[in-house]
Amino acid sequence: AQSVAQPEDQVNVAEGNPLTVKCTYSVSGNPYLFWYVQYPNRGLQFLLKYITGDNLVKGSYGFEAEFNKSQTSFHLKKPSALVSDSALYFCAVSALSSGGYQKVTFGTGTKLQVIP
Amino acid sequence: DSGVTQTPKHLITATGQRVTLRCSPRSGDLSVYWYQQSLDQGLQFLIQYYNGEERAKGNILERFSAQQFPDLHSELNLSSLELGDSALYFCASSATGRRNEKLFFGSGTQLSVL
Repeated sequence: AQSVAQPEDQVNVAEGNPLTVKCTYSVSGNPYLFWYVQYPNRGLQFLLKYITGDNLVKGSYGFEAEFNKSQTSFHLKKPSALVSDSALYFCAVSALSSGGYQKVTFGTGTKLQVIP
Repeated sequence: DSGVTQTPKHLITATGQRVTLRCSPRSGDLSVYWYQQSLDQGLQFLIQYYNGEERAKGNILERFSAQQFPDLHSELNLSSLELGDSALYFCASSATGRRNEKLFFGSGTQLSVL
């Protein structure tokens, strides 16, 4: 069975500093990994994904994520945090269900608080 | 705007009642997913449909059921409601349900069971 772990419930970072939101995964076969962001009272929005190729994936709003196969990790990063980045971030893994169809499993989410 | 429409936005009901949540996927998307988000359980996958047929089931209770209609909109039916069913219910859609596709989420239906 596939799973995603986000070890930190909350990450606090000062505005202008680099940020990292951690994610580790477990899945059979090649991982298809995603990051989504949820702003208050809104649905989740896609940030970026890793399917194959370059281990450093660039996404929306200046975010990037680094895929590390040996550590089964897919950490979200941004060089310089903005107050507007404050939100709930979800890591997700997409795998095939027993019926051969896509099944997306989300982590528990990490609340990012950027302090002015 | 994701293009996924969920109605109603808020729903307040009593224990033992039955409610129906509605979702219209993004134009052209054939696959619909339902998720439940609560503070203690996080984002839980409930069920997925593709072009009218059920494709995958997650942690969906027997009191809950769903379907996708020929016009591709989907409904999630929750019956014999309990206090613990209070949560934010999200619908998401993708083009064909392939592993590499991103999901587009609606704004959710906030269900409060009193």
